[in-house]
Amino acid sequence: GAVVSQHPSWVICKSGTSVKIECRSLDFQATTMFWYRQFPKQSLMLMATSNEGSKATYEQGVEKDKFLINHASLTLSTLTVTSAHPEDSSFYICSASWGALAPHSNQPQHFGDGTRLSIL
Amino acid sequence: QKEVEQDPGPLSVPEGAIVSLNCTYSNSAFQYFMWYRQYSRKGPELLMYTYSSGNKEDGRFTAQVDKSSKYISLFIRDSQPSDSATYLCAMRRGTNAGKSTFGDGTTLTVKP
Repeated sequence: GAVVSQHPSWVICKSGTSVKIECRSLDFQATTMFWYRQFPKQSLMLMATSNEGSKATYEQGVEKDKFLINHASLTLSTLTVTSAHPEDSSFYICSASWGALAPHSNQPQHFGDGTRLSIL
Repeated sequence: QKEVEQDPGPLSVPEGAIVSLNCTYSNSAFQYFMWYRQYSRKGPELLMYTYSSGNKEDGRFTAQVDKSSKYISLFIRDSQPSDSATYLCAMRRGTNAGKSTFGDGTTLTVKP
């Protein structure tokens, strides 16, 4: 069964709206979660690493003020796309790996089912 | 040049065929190797996870890693229409799970 739950699965909204996406680890604690973006027929692009209780680590070229990440508990990380515009339309996927020592865990990542974001 | 190159496909096979999916990589420091299956509009699902060189079998799936050649493969025996999906290889150097490098994926269609 699923070990990572992501919600919502699909969002359509107007340009300028802020959208929040939730990622939950099920039945395990994830001190670290990861947020990816995926364009059609392309691979996953790591956007940021979400760390429980501290600031997220963003990859080069990812706007921190555009993509706000909050990891307030050991089972929940949220990604907020602020003032979304059509170019932000994409498939956003979160992942987590279990293990008390994550990110220094040798366990693989498990992914949520993704959120399809469409900005009109 | 990308660190991980994956045979682009698409690949179409008849039901029951043996499927071979392959990735090559350039970074000899990669130690952990994963294969994910991704259905349309879904997140990737972990299929196989291996460390260093060798083979690993799980049901109809066999993963092979040849670090000397920097080459990994996923074999699917007795392929089924339900195996139709995009397959992603992924690999990383150390134990930081987030710093995996992904291939671009191979789309497989198994025809009944």
